[in-house]
Amino acid sequence: QKEVEQNSGPLSVPEGAIASLNCTYSDRGSQSFFWYRQYSGKSPELIMFIYSNGDKEDGRFTAQLNKASQYVSLLIRDSQPSDSATYLCAVSAGGTSYGKLTFGQGTILTVHP
Amino acid sequence: DGGITQSPKYLFRKEGQNVTLSCEQNLNHDAMYWYRQDPGQGLRLIYYSQIVNDFQKGDIAEGYSVSREKKESFPLTVTSAQKNPTAFYLCASSNRDRPYGYTFGSGTRLTVV
Repeated sequence: QKEVEQNSGPLSVPEGAIASLNCTYSDRGSQSFFWYRQYSGKSPELIMFIYSNGDKEDGRFTAQLNKASQYVSLLIRDSQPSDSATYLCAVSAGGTSYGKLTFGQGTILTVHP
Repeated sequence: DGGITQSPKYLFRKEGQNVTLSCEQNLNHDAMYWYRQDPGQGLRLIYYSQIVNDFQKGDIAEGYSVSREKKESFPLTVTSAQKNPTAFYLCASSNRDRPYGYTFGSGTRLTVV
């Protein structure tokens, strides 16, 4: 079983719709959760992080964390063509492994006009 | 401006040759990381260092070596023992405080010729 697994893509949504990206993780000791956006040929950029159960909103982005079910999701409201990219879920165990992130395989999102 | 600088952007390696990828940061971050990304895949950890003069193997360290003689610098050498080195290499850094999120360099694309 992969340590961090994302919903298989690619995901295609129309402009203005809500894009939903999901991620599950296997280590119950995981403490910090991140979503990165990566455009083709570029390095990943951090768009959201979350530590506590529940929702965290930042503009059009909402991260949701459920530690009991070991999943984290990212919702993108009012999707724009510029949101088309690969989205990477990353998980940190914390403790002595602080900072070391394990990444999922990524979900390709395409927002079509 | 603070950031991470990776060089070169593109690198070509001949069979049996060792090459070194440079990574320099001026963010005063304690920890630095090297990841490898293959097409359509997520990031896999090669090596990481949480303090000067100390580093740890990641999930795919075979065929790679690193050094951490200065806080700012974490070069990666791809040795001839790495049989399939063609990939996108990403260097990242993080500090000890939450959110532990990474700052990434712009990456080096290595191709075997």
